[in-house]
Amino acid sequence: DAKTTQPPSMDCAEGRAANLPCNHSTISGNEYVYWYRQIHSQGPQYIIHGLKNNETNEMASLIITEDRKSSTLILPHATLRDTAVYYCIVRPIYGQNFVFGPGTRLSVLP
Amino acid sequence: DSGVTQTPKHLITATGQRVTLRCSPRSGDLSVYWYQQSLDQGLQFLIQYYNGEERAKGNILERFSAQQFPDLHSELNLSSLELGDSALYFCASSVGFMEGQNTEAFFGQGTRLTVV
Repeated sequence: DAKTTQPPSMDCAEGRAANLPCNHSTISGNEYVYWYRQIHSQGPQYIIHGLKNNETNEMASLIITEDRKSSTLILPHATLRDTAVYYCIVRPIYGQNFVFGPGTRLSVLP
Repeated sequence: DSGVTQTPKHLITATGQRVTLRCSPRSGDLSVYWYQQSLDQGLQFLIQYYNGEERAKGNILERFSAQQFPDLHSELNLSSLELGDSALYFCASSVGFMEGQNTEAFFGQGTRLTVV
C-alpha cells in the first residue's frame, strides 16, 4: 500500500476553513484516498474518500491533485468540535485493512 | 452512531486472565476488522474477517484470536493477559469485498481494556 505523509499538527481558527494536506506520491492507479478522524479516544469516524475526482459531502471536501500525488481535506467552517486527529489513508480498490499512520492533530482555536 | 456495537465498553481484569470482546457489525456488513490502540499509540490492525472467513492478519499476537460467527458478529479473545495489553480495542465493519467496490468502514466506540 502507498504510504502517506501528513503534518503532525495544525491549528485553525474557529469559523475558518481548515485545510489538511496529505502527500501520497507513490499512490497507484487503483488506490483510493480515505480520510478519517478520531476525536479524543472515540472510534475513528469516516469523513470522505475518493479516487481521482474531487468529492464533497456534508462534512468536508476532498481535493485530489491531477497527478494524484497529494490531496487536501477541507473543513469549510471549522468548529471546536472538529478538534481531532485526522488520518489520510491510501487503500487499494480490493484493499483489506485500513492502515492508519500518525495523522494530523488539528486544534481548532476559539 | 456508526451502527457498530461493541461490548463491553470497559473491562478491568488481572494479568494472566482471558477476556472476550464482542462486536456486532452494521446491518448488511459482511466484513469485520479489529484494531488495537494503546495509550498515545496509533491504531494497529489486528485481523479482518469476511463472511466468516479470515481475510487479513496484522500484528496480532498468538495469545489473541478472533472469529466471525454465522450471524456475522465477531469476537476477539485475548488470553494470558499482560499489563501491556491494556488498550482500546476497536471493531469496524464494512460491506466487504465486491467486484470493483471500495467501501468505507465504520468503527464502533471501542472497548477499553485495563489489565492490572
